[in-house]
Amino acid sequence: ELKVEQNPLFLSMQEGKNYTIYCNYSTTSDRLYWYRQDPGKSLESLFVLLSNGAVKQEGRLMASLDTKARLSTLHITAAVHDLSATYFCPNSGGSNYKLTFGKGTLLTVNP
Amino acid sequence: GAVVSQHPSWVICKSGTSVKIECRSLDFQATTMFWYRQFPKQSLMLMATSNEGSKATYEQGVEKDKFLINHASLTLSTLTVTSAHPEDSSFYICSARDGGTTQETQYFGPGTRLLVL
Repeated sequence: ELKVEQNPLFLSMQEGKNYTIYCNYSTTSDRLYWYRQDPGKSLESLFVLLSNGAVKQEGRLMASLDTKARLSTLHITAAVHDLSATYFCPNSGGSNYKLTFGKGTLLTVNP
Repeated sequence: GAVVSQHPSWVICKSGTSVKIECRSLDFQATTMFWYRQFPKQSLMLMATSNEGSKATYEQGVEKDKFLINHASLTLSTLTVTSAHPEDSSFYICSARDGGTTQETQYFGPGTRLLVL
């Protein structure tokens, strides 16, 4: 059974600081996704990582994937308040493309 | 990116009634759509996988007779909550897989909030 563990579950940080969210998953996965969810809203796609060593960057966010370690990271550079949200890193394996979600990381960026 | 819509965005109904939620992929064909439920301050729970032209595959613990799923076309899937009860109140979100690109992104709809009185 595919499981996803995110660390930390809650993260409060100051604007301008850097931090990393970690995402461990239990079995080999073909695809790893990062999504953002604002309060009361649905999920917004951030990154799709499809291969070992994949690194993608968009603005202040950078995601990477290490399939051997079964680990993905989301690095936040010089955080701003607008990044406050819950971040999920579901992954999927096999032909059914089902996403397995962890509990999410609630990020709060304080002025 | 691709757009997935849901209708309605909000629904309030009396206990015992049925509610239908539509999920549409607006600018791509989705052979597979997924239905999730999210309770407050919790993660998303997959309810079922919906494939166009075939029966939905339900996750363990999800009653298929209560949550009817129909995937009538490559752009439309519907979820009907039959005989809704207050414990069915939740945020229902669909996603659609755009298999036509190499990115394999799954796009989520805006969600439907269901409140059963």
